[in-house]
Amino acid sequence: DTAVSQTPKYLVTQMGNDKSIKCEQNLGHDTMYWYKQDSKKFLKIMFSYNNKELIINETVPNRFSPKSPDKAHLNLHINSLELGDSAVYFCASSQTGLQPQHFGDGTRLSIL
Amino acid sequence: EDQVTQSPEALRLQEGESSSLNCSYTVSGLRGLFWYRQDPGKGPEFLFTLYSAGEEKEKERLKATLTKKESFLHITAPKPEDSATYLCAVQDSNYQLIWGAGTKLIIKP
Repeated sequence: DTAVSQTPKYLVTQMGNDKSIKCEQNLGHDTMYWYKQDSKKFLKIMFSYNNKELIINETVPNRFSPKSPDKAHLNLHINSLELGDSAVYFCASSQTGLQPQHFGDGTRLSIL
Repeated sequence: EDQVTQSPEALRLQEGESSSLNCSYTVSGLRGLFWYRQDPGKGPEFLFTLYSAGEEKEKERLKATLTKKESFLHITAPKPEDSATYLCAVQDSNYQLIWGAGTKLIIKP
């Protein structure tokens, strides 16, 4: 059973489009996260979401918005995609903020 | 500013050749230090958490240690399947994880 699953695995689209990435976790965790991993492999936190409390990294453009229909899902919606948005996006979850995070396999986003 | 630096960027070893990876950090109010392994095309996989200086954790051929300024991941008699990128992350007083860029480990048979 996949613990944290993301779809799609690959996403190729044109500049200016709007796209969404879905994330689901079946671990019963309370906290979910979105990360961006750039070409230099640095993982940068974008959002964390816990019991309807959203913590936003201030460097994230407001074109990015997380949406959580329930505790097991945290989707990422991106408006007006730009070339610089090309990266691998990872979803993760943890039981609490202190516990290790479990990651999905990532969504590779390529902007043409 | 909170920062995590991993060295070396890449390390090539022969099978059976032991070595260590380094993770040095500056962070206000360290809550924990995490080691992860990342294979190509996959998400990071959790290995260890260390909470206080002097703590050590072991798993198979891997052993992680922690001081007040750095952590080491020791690899004893590695095998080709240990090849991966090893990531270090520290958790600050706000529970945010700050990640290093990783060390790419290649074990040649």
